[in-house]
Amino acid sequence: NAGVMQNPRHLVRRRGQEARLRCSPMKGHSHVYWYRQLPEEGLKFMVYLQKENIIDESGMPKERFSAEFPKEGPSILRIQQVVRGDSAAYFCASSPGQGSWETQYFGPGTRLLVL
Amino acid sequence: GESVGLHLPTLSVQEGDNSIINCAYSNSASDYFIWYKQESGKGPQFIIDIRSNMDKRQGQRVTVLLNKTVKHLSLQIAATQPGDSAVYFCAETTGNQFYFGTGTSLTVIP
Repeated sequence: NAGVMQNPRHLVRRRGQEARLRCSPMKGHSHVYWYRQLPEEGLKFMVYLQKENIIDESGMPKERFSAEFPKEGPSILRIQQVVRGDSAAYFCASSPGQGSWETQYFGPGTRLLVL
Repeated sequence: GESVGLHLPTLSVQEGDNSIINCAYSNSASDYFIWYKQESGKGPQFIIDIRSNMDKRQGQRVTVLLNKTVKHLSLQIAATQPGDSAVYFCAETTGNQFYFGTGTSLTVIP
């Protein structure tokens, strides 16, 4: 039973380019969460999605960031026109989506470096 | 907004000793708490959880204590091993959004 998968593991972009981060949840999980982690800091919630729905995007920056979780395929976190401040580790987590208080299981993360 | 903080950013212990990692939370409505372990270059790994209707829960070599009166959470690791060296985060939630603390870096000295 594969865990949460994220790719790429490392991504280098130049300022102004687009970054696409992918997350495949654990088998049987229908809820996906994205977090950002800066060096020496904790995880900051960005967005919570179910299939084809954004449930909570209160942690997403208002501009340049978007997320989706289509009916088929992985969840995508998209960052347009990246800036150096976007450099961070981005983690995806998933949960079954069967009730409250569900443990979230994390993927290995994508480390984004903006040059 | 909610804040979750840790009393000590770093902790060093001798191999074989017990470790105690503390966490303070500010939202009295939080009803579910999780401890995660994050090794360098990896994603957070679930260790143990506790609901607000409990004050203690034990796992394999780990115990979580919850004191709702002072909004304090602790993780106790028995007989700490070198493989326990990592950053430990507590997380709280009232629903689906989790709030994470900055983390405590645990170093086990052989």
